Amino acid sequence: EADIYQTPRYLVIGTGKKITLECSQTMGHDKMYWYQQDPGMELHLIHYSYGVNSTEKGDLSSESTVSRIRTEHFPLTLESARPSHTSQYLCASRGQGDNQPQHFGDGTRLSIL
Amino acid sequence: GENVEQHPSTLSVQEGDSAVIKCTYSDSASNYFPWYKQELGKRPQLIIDIRSNVGEKKDQRIAVTLNKTAKHFSLHITETQPEDSAVYFCALRAAGNKLTFGGGTRVLVKP
Repeated sequence: EADIYQTPRYLVIGTGKKITLECSQTMGHDKMYWYQQDPGMELHLIHYSYGVNSTEKGDLSSESTVSRIRTEHFPLTLESARPSHTSQYLCASRGQGDNQPQHFGDGTRLSIL
Repeated sequence: GENVEQHPSTLSVQEGDSAVIKCTYSDSASNYFPWYKQELGKRPQLIIDIRSNVGEKKDQRIAVTLNKTAKHFSLHITETQPEDSAVYFCALRAAGNKLTFGGGTRVLVKP
């Protein structure tokens, strides 16, 4: 089924660990996004990509990095996790054209101890 | 970047009553206005969207109105039900740009 998939759904990990949050979509979308959201609160754009080898920082400063080597895959990496990184991370994608809606994945809820 | 003001931040209504959420913006180039519903612990889901060449759109109990002159758009939910309880986000986008989201409205429908 065409969708956007995020793994893991939940992650509890210690300070200082390197973390990679996975996001894949099977809709052939060029545009992909990462948002940080505390539960039920405002969505903050932290990274986006308009295609392979294209990545940009979003509106909210983040210590994470992203890569876009394949169209369907847009992983987010934290080199050294800290308690301040505790949050929910939502991946989204949309197709080309201004009429294309944006769809979200289920998110990864990250807790750094 | 573009700024979107969303009001109210919380809204409590009695089951069967209507709920209205309003968003205002400043960039006249904005041409796409979606609304998302996010239930507790779930992903934001697109529930309705409207484009700048349309003033109103309806889908069953949900409607969105757009006033481009005044730069505001609103979500209307009629005959509210407990399953309408969620956080609702408005958003907008100018051509080729990223979505900008409002701060969200927490809606509680009391049975």
